[in-house]
Amino acid sequence: GAVVSQHPSWVICKSGTSVKIECRSLDFQATTMFWYRQFPKQSLMLMATSNEGSKATYEQGVEKDKFLINHASLTLSTLTVTSAHPEDSSFYICSGDSEQSYEQYFGPGTRLTVT
Amino acid sequence: AQSVTQPDIHITVSEGASLELRCNYSYGATPYLFWYVQSPGQGLQLLLKYFSGDTLVQGIKGFEAEFKRSQSSFNLRKPSVHWSDAAEYFCAVVSYDTGRRALTFGSGTRLQVQP
Repeated sequence: GAVVSQHPSWVICKSGTSVKIECRSLDFQATTMFWYRQFPKQSLMLMATSNEGSKATYEQGVEKDKFLINHASLTLSTLTVTSAHPEDSSFYICSGDSEQSYEQYFGPGTRLTVT
Repeated sequence: AQSVTQPDIHITVSEGASLELRCNYSYGATPYLFWYVQSPGQGLQLLLKYFSGDTLVQGIKGFEAEFKRSQSSFNLRKPSVHWSDAAEYFCAVVSYDTGRRALTFGSGTRLQVQP
């Protein structure tokens, strides 16, 4: 299957700082990328959907000014958590799909801890 | 809105015993169904998927699932569980005829395997 990478795999930051997470599709072009958040012992919840070159579509309740998503190319999407707070601590997972596939390919996730 | 229900939050089986994890979905004339497995602190691994055709699909690690449209179900089965199968299992659905490409996940079923 296609490969999606995420960087970093884990990050610890102080409250009030910003953190950027990268999501790359390594061997396919991801026309659409998705960002999910997973709290401990819970399921994945979609945060936003982004299409290359256009603004992301955020799910209800997700603050677009806090979670900045950029999908500048067909192989790279970034999620920036601005002014992070301890309640933003979570596991963030990205995925991508292509127009040719009905399957999403998931990255390995990024564990964010805000102290 | 599409939804996925996994009625069993936690299941414990003995090693070598058979396993069935339940999944019910709502919505979508043409659902695309997936089962993923997640080990603690790890990303998602695709076990199997159903798009169309034969309603009994085979996946990796000896898993299979059966799509039953009349029951809106996509239950996951394994005839003989191994200790390494202990993990969290997620059922997911996407229905492209809604125009929405993101997956909707069930709440997950945690599998424990007793020796």
